[in-house]
Amino acid sequence: AQSVSQHNHHVILSEAASLELGCNYSYGGTVNLFWYVQYPGQHLQLLLKYFSGDPLVKGIKGFEAEFIKSKFSFNLRKPSVQWSDTAEYFCAVMSPRGTYKYIFGTGTRLKVLA
Amino acid sequence: DAMVIQNPRYQVTQFGKPVTLSCSQTLNHNVMYWYQQKSSQAPKLLFHYYDKDFNNEADTPDNFQSRRPNTSFCFLDIRSPGLGDAAMYLCATSTGLAGGVDEQFFGPGTRLTVL
Repeated sequence: AQSVSQHNHHVILSEAASLELGCNYSYGGTVNLFWYVQYPGQHLQLLLKYFSGDPLVKGIKGFEAEFIKSKFSFNLRKPSVQWSDTAEYFCAVMSPRGTYKYIFGTGTRLKVLA
Repeated sequence: DAMVIQNPRYQVTQFGKPVTLSCSQTLNHNVMYWYQQKSSQAPKLLFHYYDKDFNNEADTPDNFQSRRPNTSFCFLDIRSPGLGDAAMYLCATSTGLAGGVDEQFFGPGTRLTVL
C-alpha cells in the first residue's frame, strides 16, 4: 500500500535554529506533493506544493522544500525558525497525480522555544 | 471570506445512534473530501466527490456514507457509530482543475465523541 512517512514526530528547537523535517513516500509514479501546517487552534493550511519543474519549491513564511525523486523524498526546510512556527506539519501526496486521492503523513509537532 | 464551514464543531452521540456531520463551502469548488483523523494519526481520506461523482476509498467502512445535494454542501452520515469511530472529521475542498496542483482548503473539523 502507498504510504507517506514522516520520521520526526516531535521536534524542539530554539529560535533562529535551522529546521529540516523529513518526508518520504512510497509511490513510484508521478505525484503531487504538499506540506500543510496546522497552527494551534487553527485548521490545516497549505505551506507549499510541488507538481513539476524546479524541484526546490518555496512556500509561505520562509519555508522551502526539495523534491528528490531518486530518494522519494520531499523534505521541508527553514533556515531560521521563529516562535510563531510552533505548529504541526503534515506532508501529503496526491497519488497517482490527478486522482484526488491524498495520503497524509502522521505529522510532526514542532515546538520553538523563545 | 470564502471558506469551508463544518457544523457542529463538537458532536456527542451514543453507541449505535446515527449521526450526521455537515460541511459547507463558499469557494464554489468542484471537489469535496471527508477525512477521519484519530489522535496522533494521519488524516485518512474516507471519500470525495468530484461534482456529483462519488469516490469511495476501498477501505472506508460501509458504516460511513456521504451525500452531496448541491455544490455547496456535503454530509457525512455514520449509520451506527462505534467507539472506534470517535475522531476528528475534516472536510476539505479543492478546485478540481484538470492537470493542476489541487491545493485543499480545510474546515476546522468536527470532533465526534461516541459514548
